[in-house]
Amino acid sequence: ELKVEQNPLFLSMQEGKNYTIYCNYSTTSDRLYWYRQDPGKSLESLFVLLSNGAVKQEGRLMASLDTKARLSTLHITAAVHDLSATYFCAVDKAGGATNKLIFGTGTLLAIQP
Amino acid sequence: ETGVTQSPTHLIKTRGQQVTLRCSSQSGHNTVSWYQQALGQGPQFIFQYYREEENGRGNFPPRFSGLQFPNYSSELNVNALELDDSALYLCASSTKAGGDYEQYFGPGTRLTVT
Repeated sequence: ELKVEQNPLFLSMQEGKNYTIYCNYSTTSDRLYWYRQDPGKSLESLFVLLSNGAVKQEGRLMASLDTKARLSTLHITAAVHDLSATYFCAVDKAGGATNKLIFGTGTLLAIQP
Repeated sequence: ETGVTQSPTHLIKTRGQQVTLRCSSQSGHNTVSWYQQALGQGPQFIFQYYREEENGRGNFPPRFSGLQFPNYSSELNVNALELDDSALYLCASSTKAGGDYEQYFGPGTRLTVT
């Protein structure tokens, strides 16, 4: 059974600092997603990573994928308060009959001014 | 292009009652998936509908059931509500079923069972 683990579960950091969230998954997966969720809101898609070595960047966020290590990272550069949210990674098996996303536990990111 | 919509936004029910949640898929999408997100947890896959048929189900009891209509909108029905059913219910649609197709999430319905 595919399992997805994130760490840390909670991250408090100061504005201007850099940090990385890690996402490990247990079996082969061909597609990895990162989402942002604000309190009480739905999921906002940030990145879709499709292949080994994929790297995508949007503003202060950069995501990468290592399929051999079954690891994805979400790096935050020079954090700002507006990035405070819960971040989820999720994996899916490309080519399967059902696109069923398996989500990680989430990382609550609190950025202090 | 209209995105995924869900109704109602919020709902309060009593234990033992039944509830129906609704989802309209994004234009051009024929596949709808439902997820349950309990407070402080990641979303859990309930089931998926493709062309009006159930196309995969997660680890949820039979009292969770669904429908998909010819216009690809969908309903999630939950019978005999339990307190643990309190959660944010998310609907997602995609162009087709299968792992090659990204899912797009709706705003969710917050269900509270008292």
